[in-house]
Amino acid sequence: RKEVEQDPGPFNVPEGATVAFNCTYSNSASQSFFWYRQDCRKEPKLLMSVYSSGNEDGRFTAQLNRASQYISLLIRDSKLSDSATYLCVVSDGGSQGNLIFGKGTKLSVKP
Amino acid sequence: DAGVTQSPTHLIKTRGQQVTLRCSPKSGHDTVSWYQQALGQGPQFIFQYYEEEERQRGNFPDRFSGHQFPNYSSELNVNALLLGDSALYLCASSLVGRGEQYFGPGTRLTVT
Repeated sequence: RKEVEQDPGPFNVPEGATVAFNCTYSNSASQSFFWYRQDCRKEPKLLMSVYSSGNEDGRFTAQLNRASQYISLLIRDSKLSDSATYLCVVSDGGSQGNLIFGKGTKLSVKP
Repeated sequence: DAGVTQSPTHLIKTRGQQVTLRCSPKSGHDTVSWYQQALGQGPQFIFQYYEEEERQRGNFPDRFSGHQFPNYSSELNVNALLLGDSALYLCASSLVGRGEQYFGPGTRLTVT
């Protein structure tokens, strides 16, 4: 089983749509969870950390289910500028854990 | 507030050569991690430096080595380059005890 698994997509959605990405991870000792976005040929950029209680940042909502080892990201009212690859990221469980990345889910928002 | 910087941006090398990539962390950060990203894949952890020592290492051969300097900047060295080493090399900085890592723009290495 891969350490972090994501649906590679692509997800093609119209502007204004709501889209959800899911991710599962294998290491139950993982302590930190993140979503990064990566534009084509650019570096990954931190989108948001993910907390057990769930957290929201504007149009973005992230949730974590530790029992199921499952992370999600919901994007509401999609914008053209949301088109990117979304990377699910999990720490390896150490106090300053290295990051384990999924392969990413590609999102394309169309006018 | 300067973010993470890396140099060079692009590099072309021949098989068997050696390469050195450089990274300056975000202001105030003390930990540097290096990642390799092949096309269509997520970044893969190479190693992490803190207090000028390698703290953790991923599944990469000894051809990959690094260094951290007293000013927290870091170098990644790759010896005996293989075609498969062609990738985007990303440096990420963080503050010890904090999980969030911030990435530089990367160095795109092509081995011919």
